[in-house]
Amino acid sequence: DTEVTQTPKHLVMGMTNKKSLKCEQHMGHRAMYWYKQKAKKPPELMFVYSYEKLSINESVPSRFSPECPNSSLLNLHLHALQPEDSALYLCASSQDGTGGIKSYGYTFGSGTRLTVV
Amino acid sequence: GNSVTQMEGPVTLSEEAFLTINCTYTATGYPSLFWYVQYPGEGLQLLLKATKADDKGSNKGFEATYRKETTSFHLEKGSVQVSDSAVYFCALSDPTGFQKLVFGTGTRLLVSP
Repeated sequence: DTEVTQTPKHLVMGMTNKKSLKCEQHMGHRAMYWYKQKAKKPPELMFVYSYEKLSINESVPSRFSPECPNSSLLNLHLHALQPEDSALYLCASSQDGTGGIKSYGYTFGSGTRLTVV
Repeated sequence: GNSVTQMEGPVTLSEEAFLTINCTYTATGYPSLFWYVQYPGEGLQLLLKATKADDKGSNKGFEATYRKETTSFHLEKGSVQVSDSAVYFCALSDPTGFQKLVFGTGTRLLVSP
């Protein structure tokens, strides 16, 4: 299995809603990432988990809350979002350590298209 | 800091034309270099990579050579197809940043029949 699976593919939520995005991989990768991508822009790093521990938080607002329950799963909990948070949210994984990134890069999921109304 | 600069798009070509998308980088240390492709409505897919100077990455007719002397990793294809229409991102493995890729701004390629 060489895929990163993201669910749901599309999500529409109101500003008072609570929702979660889910990401799953079974490649034995020990680093997992959340990226946000606005239209016609490159992906922006939000969070990095390494061995199920949060290692990078790129000053993301607290209305985004990541969780890594085990080595295969990554969640992003959403609460009280704003319309400007509408974007494509991408999950990625990589083999552990800086060497894994250097040799193999990331494997991305196909993303969740989020619309906040 | 570490950064990647790509040529502005869109790049508009006719089918079977030669493609070059320029990518230059700034980095301390010895990064690996990558090209990712994003088709409409999808995530990013790794297209090719090179891990050291003078390496050539290749896949699906695309090629790029890691040139340390010019700090470049230009993407080329001899004959593009309509199905190659997508956004192409150049990226480097940040040698100073733990487990992070640094992306360029992306270049949109439009191929017409």
